[in-house]
Amino acid sequence: AQSVAQPEDQVNVAEGNPLTVKCTYSVSGNPYLFWYVQYPNRGLQFLLKYITGDNLVKGSYGFEAEFNKSQTSFHLKKPSALVSDSALYFCAVRDKAGRRALTFGSGTRLQVQP
Amino acid sequence: EAGVAQSPRYKIIEKRQSVAFWCNPISGHATLYWYQQILGQGPKLLIQFQNNGVVDDSQLPKDRFSAERLKGVDSTLKIQPAKLEDSAVYLCASSLVPGRVDSPLHFGNGTRLTVT
Repeated sequence: AQSVAQPEDQVNVAEGNPLTVKCTYSVSGNPYLFWYVQYPNRGLQFLLKYITGDNLVKGSYGFEAEFNKSQTSFHLKKPSALVSDSALYFCAVRDKAGRRALTFGSGTRLQVQP
Repeated sequence: EAGVAQSPRYKIIEKRQSVAFWCNPISGHATLYWYQQILGQGPKLLIQFQNNGVVDDSQLPKDRFSAERLKGVDSTLKIQPAKLEDSAVYLCASSLVPGRVDSPLHFGNGTRLTVT
């Protein structure tokens, strides 16, 4: 079975400061990893993905994520937070065999204070 | 490109009533998903279609939920009869390339169902 854990329900950060949203995963074999963002009353929007290669993946809106195989983690990062980054963030995983559709974590609410 | 369209946006029904949701994926997207997102939780897959065939419906409560994707385009998800615990946002998503497991999902804005 594949699963995702997002240990923080909410992350608070001041505008201009770096942010990190944590994610750990469990999957058989090598993973495909994704981050999605959800704004109020909207569907999820794709931010970035890790497939293979460089452990640091860059995505939309200045976000990046670091894949760490030994720690089974895929933390989302941004060097300088914006108030407009405030939203709900979901980490998701599927195994490379693609036997199952994406499995999502429970989400982390990011609140950026001006 | 036009996004994934879902309707209605909101629906309020009483328990034991029936309800249906509609989804029109992005043109050309072969794979279609229905996810259930309960408040405070991540989306949970209900059913996955490849064209008009079911790939995975292992988490669909088949005694009350049904879904179809006629002609491999639009899809409907039905609940009959509804229970209080079905209150959730129902998200439809599509992806472009069959068999490309790294293909991102494109989500609609969802239908928020409230069962009273």
